[in-house]
Amino acid sequence: DIVLTQSPATLSLSPGDRATLSCRASQSVGTFLAWYQQKPGQAPRLLIYDASSRPTGIPARFSGSGSGTDFTLTISSLEPEDFAVYYCQQRSNWPPSFTFGPGTKLDIK
Amino acid sequence: EVQLVESGGGLVQPGGSLRLSCAASGFTFSGFAMSWVRQAPGTGLEWVSLITNSGASIYYTDSVRGRFTISRDNSQNTLSLQMNSLRADDTATYYCAKVRGSYGVFDLWGQGTMVTVSS
Repeated sequence: DIVLTQSPATLSLSPGDRATLSCRASQSVGTFLAWYQQKPGQAPRLLIYDASSRPTGIPARFSGSGSGTDFTLTISSLEPEDFAVYYCQQRSNWPPSFTFGPGTKLDIK
Repeated sequence: EVQLVESGGGLVQPGGSLRLSCAASGFTFSGFAMSWVRQAPGTGLEWVSLITNSGASIYYTDSVRGRFTISRDNSQNTLSLQMNSLRADDTATYYCAKVRGSYGVFDLWGQGTMVTVSS
């Protein structure tokens, strides 16, 4: 089974800073990597799919990059509402299954 | 409005059963695969099960296979999860989620329903 690891576990930054979050897969997942944002008491929200694609309505300050085993979520300039937990997720083709990383908590410095 | 609304959570004793439902609206429910994803208190996300748009194919994570059954009614735009032989480690918030096309990602989530397994 593919295991996802995320680093750092916690990232303390200030509004206006640039945030760089990492996700590493135990084996290649191609570009089948997604990122989600979850705020306390809320459901996750899809931010990035296919490693670098943004769904409609996701602000341009969120960007994703990477392929194979190493992926990055970048938030170019943090807004107050961006402080949350971020999860990466991959899918395995056969048998179909989905794995999430343990999350990175982005909190206010 | 495009939304998913879960219901059916609650407190159940170990070994008991519970049936969760998810009502979909605002999109063509029969056109998309659907999943259940759970989150134990204070922890991360765990995929539970997926059903294809027609219901012809169904998949489970190993820890629930044989105990949980996913189903859907495309005429009623509803997704269900029948949970039997519940264990303490099934305690979690259960989210239903819409699967985005062939990308295998979850692009619409419900607000979640809490399941607590305890005596």
